Amino acid sequence: DAGVIQSPRHEVTEMGQEVTLRCKPISGHDYLFWYRQTMMRGLELLIYFNNNVPIDDSGMPEDRFSAKMPNASFSTLKIQPSEPRDSAVYFCASKQRHNEKLFFGSGTQLSVL
Amino acid sequence: GESVGLHLPTLSVQEGDNSIINCAYSNSASDYFIWYKQESGKGPQFIIDIRSNMDKRQGQRVTVLLNKTVKHLSLQIAATQPGDSAVYFCAENIDGVGGSYIPTFGRGTSLIVHP
Repeated sequence: DAGVIQSPRHEVTEMGQEVTLRCKPISGHDYLFWYRQTMMRGLELLIYFNNNVPIDDSGMPEDRFSAKMPNASFSTLKIQPSEPRDSAVYFCASKQRHNEKLFFGSGTQLSVL
Repeated sequence: GESVGLHLPTLSVQEGDNSIINCAYSNSASDYFIWYKQESGKGPQFIIDIRSNMDKRQGQRVTVLLNKTVKHLSLQIAATQPGDSAVYFCAENIDGVGGSYIPTFGRGTSLIVHP
């Protein structure tokens, strides 16, 4: 398996633009997580899904952020409109139901100018 | 609220020395902990885990110690190598909806190994 795949690796955009981050979890994994990493706050859990259903989105900073998981092999995190303070590395991770080990993707480095 | 934190943000060691990275947690209900290693430009990777019914667990060159009395974790790396240079996170696993643990990460400690 290729592991968790995220795209794009880098995204540079202007304030106000829509940004869509993509994730393909490891096949057979039941859980998918979206994290945001910054120097100030470290790794913050934004939202997680179980069997494609959003379970806890309390970490989503505001209504500008939304996440979907239309099927077991694909998830998106969308920011609309984007702001400079959204600049961070966004990670997707997945795991199996009874295995607590998280597998992370390589992340998307987002820069909002 | 309760959270996971780290004592030292940066640790510098010489190659061949042993490294000790510390982590304090405050949620007394936590019963499962994981250490992750994050190399530059990559996502965190699992190193080792420990459950609260254990005091110590060993892996290859790594040992995790758990002191539940003072709510403290440590990760010991023996004979540290340049390839060990990374940011290390301890993750406190909290019981989430559906019966699975949901990890909450501390801010991390940067380990720098000098050749």
